[in-house]
Amino acid sequence: SFELTQPPSVSVSPGQTARITCSGYAMPKKYAYWYQQKSGQAPVMVIYEDSKRPSGIPERFSGSNSGTMATLTIRGAQVEDEADYHCYLTDNNGVFGGGTKLTVL
Amino acid sequence: EVQLVESGGGLVQPGGSLRLFCEASGFTFSSFSMSWVRQAPGKGLEWVSAISGSGGSTFIADSVKGRFTISRDNSKNTVYLQMNSLRAEDAAVYYCAKMEIPFDHWGQGTLVTVSS
Repeated sequence: SFELTQPPSVSVSPGQTARITCSGYAMPKKYAYWYQQKSGQAPVMVIYEDSKRPSGIPERFSGSNSGTMATLTIRGAQVEDEADYHCYLTDNNGVFGGGTKLTVL
Repeated sequence: EVQLVESGGGLVQPGGSLRLFCEASGFTFSSFSMSWVRQAPGKGLEWVSAISGSGGSTFIADSVKGRFTISRDNSKNTVYLQMNSLRAEDAAVYYCAKMEIPFDHWGQGTLVTVSS
């Protein structure tokens, strides 16, 4: 399995674009998944299979996967998007990234 | 609406045992694999174990192999995590998650504290 590396923190002002990366793998055809976890709450899936949004997730959330790095993009970040974000790749023996704390202020 | 409700957490001494429960509703439980994921205080997510919809296949993380066992009762829409020989490093919030796509829905978690 691969260790997945995420930046510990990302900070943006409201309305700006936040980008959170997940790297450390080099095999193609691994799907990336992203989970948002607000303080004291359970994780919620916000992106699956690289770039798909579950129902109810705002359009400002998007994802991409180059094959060596997955990126979660939040365009026009809002204060309510402040949370920890965790990445996960398929076929990686259940390994999650270390998480990124997004601050929006 | 998918709902997952965990229970069974609590305070246990090192070397002790606990059984966690996750009761599911809002979907055809027997059709989907389920997982347990834990999160130690201030730490990231760690997958612990998974079980297929029929219960015929189980998977366990190396960190808990030989001590934890996952099972399910499809007649009760419940998945279990039997935790034996608990260590201080097992202290965490334990979440169950539905696995139609990886971890598509999560429960609210149950807290396990390991301390003498």
